[in-house]
This record gives sequence, C-alpha cells and structure tokens, in this order.
Amino acid sequence: NAGVTQTPKFQVLKTGQSMTLQCAQDMNHNSMYWYRQDPGMGLRLIYYSASEGTTDKGEVPNGYNVSRLNKREFSLRLESAAPSQTSVYFCASRQGANSNVGYTFGSGTRLTVV
Amino acid sequence: QKEVEQNSGPLSVPEGAIASLNCTYSDRGSQSFFWYRQYSGKSPELIMSIYSNGDKEDGRFTAQLNKASQYVSLLIRDSQPSDSATYLCAVGRRAGAGGTSYGKLTFGQGTILTVHP
Repeated sequence: NAGVTQTPKFQVLKTGQSMTLQCAQDMNHNSMYWYRQDPGMGLRLIYYSASEGTTDKGEVPNGYNVSRLNKREFSLRLESAAPSQTSVYFCASRQGANSNVGYTFGSGTRLTVV
Repeated sequence: QKEVEQNSGPLSVPEGAIASLNCTYSDRGSQSFFWYRQYSGKSPELIMSIYSNGDKEDGRFTAQLNKASQYVSLLIRDSQPSDSATYLCAVGRRAGAGGTSYGKLTFGQGTILTVHP
C-alpha cells in the first residue's frame, strides 16, 4: 500500500549509542518531515526537507542530524543518544511545501534511551 | 504564548451528542488549517482541512474557521465511542510567506475526547 514507511517500530538504546531512523515514502512527495511526540508537548518538528537536496532545522534539532538520501528517503540520526531523546518519532511527507494537503504520517518509531 | 493552543481536556461527551473541539493560533500569516485524529499508540490521521473563513462539512465533521479571531474549531455530530481519540489541530503558513517556512505545520498539544455509551 502507498504511504510512509518507518523503521524500526521499536528501539531501546543505551545512553551514548547511535542509531538511524529510516523513513521512505512512495507517493512521489517532495517535502518530508521528522517530528517527535512527547506527553503534554504535542508534535514538535525536528528537521524537514522541502525538496530533494535540501534540509533545514525545525523547533528541536539539537542532538539530531538528517539526510535526504533521494526523493523517497529521509533519515534521522542520533549520534549520541540521551534519555531526553526518549520519545515517539514520526516521519511525514507532503506533496509540496505549498500544498494545501496535510501531511501523511508514518506509523512511528518508539525509542527508549536508558 | 504557544503558537497553537488547544484545551487538553479530557472532553467527555455522551454517545449521540455533539463534541466541540477548539483551537487558537497566534500567527496571523497562517493560511492552512488541519484537524488530525490520533488513536492511542497510532499515528495521526488527517480528517479535515480548511483554508477559508466559514464552515466546511464532511459527514459528521464540521470545521469552522475565523481568521479575524484566529480561531478554528471541529464539531463532531452524533458522536460515537469510536470517535474517542486525541484530536490535533495543525496550522501552516504558505511557504515563503514571511520567511522560509517551507510548508511546516505547527501542532497544538491535542484534545483528548472520550465518548461514553
């Protein structure tokens, strides 16, 4: 089925470990986004990519890096995980930055840092 | 002041009643408005979008927008227990309007809705 695919779905890391969250969409969307969701905080934007070849910081970028590998894929990397990065991470995509259509979200990655 | 504010609830309504969910936003340059539904442990699902002042109806859902008051609401008629979820309001600027917004959406904290039989 067409949509946004995130891997892994669950992950437990030790403090200081690194990992990459993968996101791929098959809807030929131009714009892709990474959000984190914490209780009482709503969805907060980490990084986004308006189009292939561009990335920019969102509201909470510290401790993260991203790569827009091609039009389909947008990965999020934690170089040295911290307990404060325990969260649910959602990848989303959109046809274009000026699209009047909302995001399509992936199913999320639940990350626990111990 | 938060950019997008919602009453976190929980909002509890009886089955068959009208549920009213509210959202205010601070950026007067906002031009697109969305309501997402999120079941526990699941990802947000788009249920309504609105761009012009007034009402927009889709089945049991009605979105209302008042840009002068910077207010958007969602009404759910004939509420069902299956409507029990968290409802997220999201607001966006047109890309390039007043900066490099690139179509980012800003989300409220969400309102928890419980519909009891």
